[in-house]
Amino acid sequence: AQSVAQPEDQVNVAEGNPLTVKCTYSVSGNPYLFWYVQYPNRGLQFLLKYITGDNLVKGSYGFEAEFNKSQTSFHLKKPSALVSDSALYFCAVRDQAGTALIFGKGTTLSVSS
Amino acid sequence: DGGITQSPKYLFRKEGQNVTLSCEQNLNHDAMYWYRQDPGQGLRLIYYSQIVNDFQKGDIAEGYSVSREKKESFPLTVTSAQKNPTAFYLCASSTAGGGADTQYFGPGTRLTVL
Repeated sequence: AQSVAQPEDQVNVAEGNPLTVKCTYSVSGNPYLFWYVQYPNRGLQFLLKYITGDNLVKGSYGFEAEFNKSQTSFHLKKPSALVSDSALYFCAVRDQAGTALIFGKGTTLSVSS
Repeated sequence: DGGITQSPKYLFRKEGQNVTLSCEQNLNHDAMYWYRQDPGQGLRLIYYSQIVNDFQKGDIAEGYSVSREKKESFPLTVTSAQKNPTAFYLCASSTAGGGADTQYFGPGTRLTVL
């Protein structure tokens, strides 16, 4: 069965510091991996996805994610955090035969000024 | 959120009532989805549809019903059989469903049972 784990409920960073939000997954075969961001009482916004090829994926708002097949991880990163990055972040996975996305439980990112 | 609208934004229901949540998209997407979001639980799939007049149950379909009579519309009815309906409901759509397809989300409807 497919699954996604986001091991940290909350990540706290200071503005200007690099940030990492962790995600590990379990699927049969090769995965499609996604990151979304959600601001309070809003829908999810797509940030980036991994399909195949280059392990470093660049997305919206300066975010990037690194796919690591051996560690089954897809961590979200940003070199310099902004206060406006404070939000709830979701990792999601789908296997190549599947339709539905499987979401992690989310990680709250808090960036302090 | 662009291209997918959900209404109403807030909805209050008395116990025993059925309510219908609206989802409309103008992205010409074939696939549409309904998710339920509860604090600390992520998103859970209720129903999805990959084509008009066809839909499949997700992980938590009990107490919910859907229809897909038009490509643009995928309404969700929360029936009185749903024991704990208070939640944030999100609608999404994608080009075809599956594979590397990206799902795009609407702004959500917050349902509260009084």
